[in-house]
Amino acid sequence: DAGVIQSPRHEVTEMGQEVTLRCKPISGHNSLFWYRQTMMRGLELLIYFNNNVPIDDSGMPEDRFSAKMPNASFSTLKIQPSEPRDSAVYFCASSLGDRDVSSYEQYFGPGTRLTVT
Amino acid sequence: AQKVTQAQTEISVVEKEDVTLDCVYETRDTTYYLFWYKQPPSGELVFLIRRNSFDEQNEISGRYSWNFQKSTSSFNFTITASQVVDSAVYFCALSTSYGKLTFGQGTILTVHP
Repeated sequence: DAGVIQSPRHEVTEMGQEVTLRCKPISGHNSLFWYRQTMMRGLELLIYFNNNVPIDDSGMPEDRFSAKMPNASFSTLKIQPSEPRDSAVYFCASSLGDRDVSSYEQYFGPGTRLTVT
Repeated sequence: AQKVTQAQTEISVVEKEDVTLDCVYETRDTTYYLFWYKQPPSGELVFLIRRNSFDEQNEISGRYSWNFQKSTSSFNFTITASQVVDSAVYFCALSTSYGKLTFGQGTILTVHP
């Protein structure tokens, strides 16, 4: 079975440009998570969806970040406008969890390495 | 609030040595789950193990073993007879509400041939 798929794998953009990261979770998984990894802050949860509904976006840094999940097989994370401090690896993860989400392991995609110059 | 602390930032060993990665967690919840993930140089995060707060049995999987001690809030990971392929960053994580994972800062393990 295919794991979590993310695209693009690498993105280099200039400050001020819009960036869209894409994620396809594992089929049948109810929960989807977006994380950001940096050297300074480690792995941080940005937003969590359950059954396509955003449950907690308290980790989203600011209004420049937005995420959508229009259906069970696709999610996007958008940064507009991008800034150099947004440079990081962005991971998407999915899990089977529905009611007791915390008990299920999350499976991570390969990540998107974003560089904003 | 939840917190995970991994005592070692970096560990360097020679192949075939045993190595233990320490993990201490903090939570006020009585039900929680602990995880270990591996991040090899290729960058992906690989799930290794999940343990719930009611199950303190140690677990062994091949060369990997995990020691969960609720009394000391620790969930340590031991690799026996380490190999070069074990070189990676290892993350301990804690999950309480709705699956939000709180990660430790990671331990960089380097196994030299």
